[in-house]
Amino acid sequence: DPKIIQKPKYLVAVTGSEKILICEQYLGHNAMYWYRQSAKKPLEFMFSYSYQKLMDNQTASSRFQPQSSKKNHLDLQITALKPDDSATYFCASSTGTGGMAEQFFGPGTRLTVL
Amino acid sequence: GDSVTQTEGQVTVSESKSLIINCTYSTTSIAYPNLFWYVRYPGEGLQLLLKVITAGQKGSSRGFEATYNKETTSFHLQKASVQESDSAVYYCALGRSNSAGNKLTFGIGTRVLVRP
Repeated sequence: DPKIIQKPKYLVAVTGSEKILICEQYLGHNAMYWYRQSAKKPLEFMFSYSYQKLMDNQTASSRFQPQSSKKNHLDLQITALKPDDSATYFCASSTGTGGMAEQFFGPGTRLTVL
Repeated sequence: GDSVTQTEGQVTVSESKSLIINCTYSTTSIAYPNLFWYVRYPGEGLQLLLKVITAGQKGSSRGFEATYNKETTSFHLQKASVQESDSAVYYCALGRSNSAGNKLTFGIGTRVLVRP
């Protein structure tokens, strides 16, 4: 059974629209993360959360807003979508944020903005 | 900041031959980072292959080895004899843990194709 669920797997959006990427983890972890991988670029850290509190934000744009309604959820709302937002977005989780605990990754949501 | 550079593109190797994927890191921090290799097998998600958190130490898993060399700031991944099942994309990553939480900085990934 998948331990980290990301929905949807594929997403196509038009420029200027808003989308929410869903992430749920069933590992009992307290920390969750978002990463992004654009074409021909490395995975890039976006956010980290611990106990539903924002720990680190490396995303320059306020158009990206994480939302944590439950301890095991960390959704990502993206507003005013641009073609440059096209990427695969990965959710990850770990037992905590200390001691460099192993991060477990979800399968990703591939977003295409037309 | 931190950055990671690894062998780019695709590496093709015949089964039972040796494999090496180069990885070097750059950092402006005086603190030594933690180093990782992640792997994505076809149709699967990204998963940890091995990690080393102490400079000078070696990590190993599934026949792969990597040694944390702080002098050359390298963390090359090696395997003496690859199998077809090792075909995957391999990512070198540098990790930081501080009051702001954990953060991984990844290399671009190296696709390995093992031919029978």
